[in-house]
Amino acid sequence: AQSVTQLDSHVSVSEGTPVLLRCNYSSSYSPSLFWYVQHPNKGLQLLLKYTSAATLVKGINGFEAEFKKSETSFHLTKPSAHMSDAAEYFCVVSDQDYKLSFGAGTTVTVRA
Amino acid sequence: NAGVTQTPKFQVLKTGQSMTLQCAQDMNHNSMYWYRQDPGMGLRLIYYSASEGTTDKGEVPNGYNVSRLNKREFSLRLESAAPSQTSVYFCASRTGGPYEQYFGPGTRLTVT
Repeated sequence: AQSVTQLDSHVSVSEGTPVLLRCNYSSSYSPSLFWYVQHPNKGLQLLLKYTSAATLVKGINGFEAEFKKSETSFHLTKPSAHMSDAAEYFCVVSDQDYKLSFGAGTTVTVRA
Repeated sequence: NAGVTQTPKFQVLKTGQSMTLQCAQDMNHNSMYWYRQDPGMGLRLIYYSASEGTTDKGEVPNGYNVSRLNKREFSLRLESAAPSQTSVYFCASRTGGPYEQYFGPGTRLTVT
């Protein structure tokens, strides 16, 4: 069985400051991991993915995430937040049959 | 190339009514999925179809049925709607292998 824990339900940052969204996972095999973003009343958009290649993964809009097997973590970061980054973010793990398990989500608020 | 499309966008049902949510993808993907999204719970898998002609239960299948009509279309049916099925429903598709899923814009369903 697999699961995902997003350690913060809500993160508030000032525009121009770094963003850190924390994610821990459990999986009985080598997982694929994803971060998706959902803007209000919209569908989900893929930010980035890890599929057993480089452990530091770069995504769209300046986001990146680092896969740390020893810590079972896949934290998402961005050096400088923009107002348009205000959204809900989901950490997702894929099992060996490629079904996805979602974290509960982290809501990001960006203060001007 | 429209990606994943869903109809309707919004629906209000009375308890006991039935309806079918439609989903289509034009990316020639093999696998298709139905999820529901409830506040604070991320997305939960209802049913999925790994390939044309097959369907399987996900995490929360009770009260739902699905049909994989052809490679493009995957419908979700509520035979007798209940207030507990008030949710936002997302359809997704994926090509083979450990790759990401592509999501539709969602259907917001309210059951009164």
